[in-house]
Amino acid sequence: DTEVTQTPKHLVMGMTNKKSLKCEQHMGHRAMYWYKQKAKKPPELMFVYSYEKLSINESVPSRFSPECPNSSLLNLHLHALQPEDSALYLCASSQARTSGGTDTQYFGPGTRLTVL
Amino acid sequence: GQNIDQPTEMTATEGAIVQINCTYQTSGFNGLFWYQQHAGEAPTFLSYNVLDGLEEKGRFSSFLSRSKGYSYLLLKELQMKDSASYLCAGSSSNTGKLIFGQGTTLQVKP
Repeated sequence: DTEVTQTPKHLVMGMTNKKSLKCEQHMGHRAMYWYKQKAKKPPELMFVYSYEKLSINESVPSRFSPECPNSSLLNLHLHALQPEDSALYLCASSQARTSGGTDTQYFGPGTRLTVL
Repeated sequence: GQNIDQPTEMTATEGAIVQINCTYQTSGFNGLFWYQQHAGEAPTFLSYNVLDGLEEKGRFSSFLSRSKGYSYLLLKELQMKDSASYLCAGSSSNTGKLIFGQGTTLQVKP
């Protein structure tokens, strides 16, 4: 089973709203990722959690706040977003071997976010 | 920096063979991944090459030459459902992060 699930599939929010994106995997993976993808562009890495600790933040604005409650769950809290933040938000997970890791990342179906 | 280059668009005919090339800087990467992404869907893993040579998986094969900084994805017996974006991604040897190319949009025509 290589399934990563994400909810919701679609989200429309205003610039003053607070919402959360959720991601779940039950593959025993210990690394989880958030990516942002604009149309016709490759995914851009936002955050990496390794063993439930934030290991990489790609200088993402503070209006995006990640959270990893346990090894299976990853959330992305959204607040005061801008219209340009509209995109497909992808979650991924991998086994998270130690240094030099080249583990395959498995992606969830994404949340299509529209900010009005 | 770490750059990965691949063609933006390709067109091929149903039943034919197509090769999608990917070039990258020879230092800094620890293996090459290929993902397929249909419009509006998640990238799905196709292949991973860490050693030189050809890896075959059914209709799809992937090749890597580390000395030349070159990889390709070969799709045989093309089907209409193979119309998608194909992403080449290097695994950074420093950080383990995936560095994606811009993606190649493949259109398969009848």
